[in-house]
Parts: sequence; C-alpha cells; structure tokens
Amino acid sequence: AQSVTQLDSQVPVFEEAPVELRCNYSSSVSVYLFWYVQYPNQGLQLLLKYLSGSTLVKGINGFEAEFNKSQTSFHLRKPSVHISDTAEYFCAVSGSGGSYIPTFGRGTSLIVHP
Amino acid sequence: GAGVSQSPSNKVTEKGKDVELRCDPISGHTALYWYRQSLGQGLEFLIYFQGNSAPDKSGLPSDRFSAERTGGSVSTLTIQRTQQEDSAVYLCASTPTVQTEAFFGQGTRLTVV
Repeated sequence: AQSVTQLDSQVPVFEEAPVELRCNYSSSVSVYLFWYVQYPNQGLQLLLKYLSGSTLVKGINGFEAEFNKSQTSFHLRKPSVHISDTAEYFCAVSGSGGSYIPTFGRGTSLIVHP
Repeated sequence: GAGVSQSPSNKVTEKGKDVELRCDPISGHTALYWYRQSLGQGLEFLIYFQGNSAPDKSGLPSDRFSAERTGGSVSTLTIQRTQQEDSAVYLCASTPTVQTEAFFGQGTRLTVV
C-alpha cells in the first residue's frame, strides 16, 4: 500500500524567509505526486503536481517541488514566503500498485509571522 | 457548475439521527472520491466511485456509512445513527480520469451533539 509521511506537523517562519515542507512517500514503482493547500474553512486547492518528465516542478504562488526518486521524496519549497501563505499543506501520492486513489499525508501547518 | 459543490456546508445533528451529505462533481468527471478530515488529521479515504459503481469502499469505517452515485454525477454519503466520533469535515473530490489531480469541494462540516 502507498503511504505519505509529512515530517513536520507545524512550520513557523518569518515573512520573506525561505521555507521547505518535507514529504516522503513509500513506493517502489512510478507514482504521481501532488501538493495541495487548504486555507481555513475551504477545500483543497492544487499547488503543483509531478506526473512525469522534469523532476523540478513549478506551481502556483511561487512554490516549487523536486521529485527525488532515490530518496522517495517530494519536498515543497518557496524562496520567500508571505503572510498570505499561512495555511495547511498536504502532500499526496497516487498510482502505486495500480491504485489511483490519492493517499494524503497528515498535513503541515505553515505559519508565517510578520 | 464550475467546481465541485457540496451541501450542506454545515450540519449539526443529534446523536442517533441519520444524515445525508451531497456532492455535485464537475460535469464530465468520471471518478469521485469521499474523504473525511478530522481535527489535526490528514484526509482519510472513505470511498471511490468510477461512474456509478464503487470499486473501492474499503475506507468506510462501519456499516453505518454508505454512499451511492447516480447518473454518473451526483453522489450522496449517508451516515446512519450518527455518533459523536463521526464529527468531522467530509470532503468530496472528482477527477476527469484517475491519472490526474483531484478537484475538491468546500466540504461539509458535520457536528454530532
């Protein structure tokens, strides 16, 4: 079965600082990887996705992520965060073992301080 | 519609009552998923529909939970004899094919008192 581990439940950071949110997945086969953002009282919105091709994926709002097959990681980065980036971030994987049901991590709460 | 629509957005119910949660997926999306999000937890998979059939309902936590989908479109999640531990946000998502990202609704916040 596929699984996702988000290593940090909460990441506090000051505005304009860089941030990295970590995600590791368990699978020995090709997978599809996603990062979603959830603002308070809203559903999930796609930030970026890796399906194939270039391992560096750029998404909305200045976020990017790098797919590392050897380390089974898909960490999310942003060089300079804004207050408005404060939200819950979820990493997800699908496609492992023929299952395309997205499996989500527990989420990382990004808290940006002024 | 332009996005996935869920109703109601909030539901407060008494313990022991039945509730129905509705999901209107994006038109033409064949795959539909239900997830449950409890406070401080990730998204717990409940059930997956492909068209009107449910090839995977392994995430339904008990036989009090059931779901159906009609016309390859609207889906209803029913919880019978609700318990306090059923309190959570229930999220619905749809995709045009299984190999793309899921599009989520705003969720239904269920509170069992």
